[in-house]
Amino acid sequence: AQSVTQLDSHVSVSEGTPVLLRCNYSSSYSPSLFWYVQHPNKGLQLLLKYTSAATLVKGINGFEAEFKKSETSFHLTKPSAHMSDAAEYFCVVSEGYGQNFVFGPGTRLSVLP
Amino acid sequence: DVKVTQSSRYLVKRTGEKVFLECVQDMDHENMFWYRQDPGLGLRLIYFSYDVKMKEKGDIPEGYSVSREKKERFSLILESASTNQTSMYLCASSLYQNTEAFFGQGTRLTVV
Repeated sequence: AQSVTQLDSHVSVSEGTPVLLRCNYSSSYSPSLFWYVQHPNKGLQLLLKYTSAATLVKGINGFEAEFKKSETSFHLTKPSAHMSDAAEYFCVVSEGYGQNFVFGPGTRLSVLP
Repeated sequence: DVKVTQSSRYLVKRTGEKVFLECVQDMDHENMFWYRQDPGLGLRLIYFSYDVKMKEKGDIPEGYSVSREKKERFSLILESASTNQTSMYLCASSLYQNTEAFFGQGTRLTVV
């Protein structure tokens, strides 16, 4: 069975400093992994995806994530935070048929001026 | 770009009403999903559909039904709305298994 753990419910950084949002997953098979961002009262937007190609994945808005199978991790990073990055971030795993997507509980990112 | 459109951004309905939430996608995706999102509970899958007229229950199907008569349209039906169904409802679609999902903007439903 699939599951996703996002280790921090809230992360606060200063503008211009690096961002690290942590995600660990469990999966019986080779999963697909995704990061989504949600701004207040909006739908979810795909940031990036891992689908068994390169382990370092680049996404939109300067975000990237590294798939580490040995650590079952898929942490999201950005070198320099911007005020517009303040939002909720969801790590998602998908494998095979059935429920198809399992969402982590989310991490709220605050960016301080 | 894929577009997933939900018919309403905000809805207010009365207890006991039958409520229809409509979702349309324009990229010929096979799979469509309905989630509800509540503070502290995250996103929970209500129903999904992997083909026209096909549906499967998600984690919390009680009090809901769905309809998919055409590939591009997936409707969520609240048979008799209750106050505990006040929530943000999100529709999504994906091309195949394990491909990314694209989300609509959400419908914030309030049942009074």
